[in-house]
Amino acid sequence: NAGVTQTPKFRVLKTGQSMTLLCAQDMNHEYMYWYRQDPGMGLRLIHYSVGEGTTAKGEVPDGYNVSRLKKQNFLLGLESAAPSQTSVYFCASTYTENTEAFFGQGTRLTVV
Amino acid sequence: AQKITQTQPGMFVQEKEAVTLDCTYDTSDQSYGLFWYKQPSSGEMIFLIYQGSYDEQNATEGRYSLNFQKARKSANLVISASQLGDSAMYFCAMTRPVGTASKLTFGTGTRLQVTL
Repeated sequence: NAGVTQTPKFRVLKTGQSMTLLCAQDMNHEYMYWYRQDPGMGLRLIHYSVGEGTTAKGEVPDGYNVSRLKKQNFLLGLESAAPSQTSVYFCASTYTENTEAFFGQGTRLTVV
Repeated sequence: AQKITQTQPGMFVQEKEAVTLDCTYDTSDQSYGLFWYKQPSSGEMIFLIYQGSYDEQNATEGRYSLNFQKARKSANLVISASQLGDSAMYFCAMTRPVGTASKLTFGTGTRLQVTL
């Protein structure tokens, strides 16, 4: 009963460093999403995927890249981290468009 | 483009009272889904309730009900008999219809504080 698992849970990066956040789901969901959550801004969609091998841009895609090589995994990459990318990142997945989203526990990223 | 608006940054309610959290949305689609999620201080996102745009009856889940007014494009969450454990951030969210590039879009949230 793992659901959606994000790794890592916490990370501190220096400006200019790169990293990859991993999201894994074991529910055979088609749709997967990456959000960032900032105070007063709610959850903003970064990138999303409607199936294996597909990705699409959300509201705030700049500075991020994603890949969905396997149905169960959705990776979020930061090629050159900036302080503006300090945030809490959530991954989510859904079976169809109109079913509830299951969320990971979040990743708190600080860029100094 | 779809948009979700939550105009109440914060709300207070006394224990055992009912409270309504507002949500309005903007879309040109005929078919869509509306959701409410709860985020307690621990940070996890908890699904509360779902309403489909073609559902004729308002959705209910225990103490949660969704007051869906399609013509007004509003999907307010009503929590009856508030409990201290209801203190949290609440997010309204919306999906686009089947067959399109689906996006799950959230509002900015309302922080609910339940008082004694």
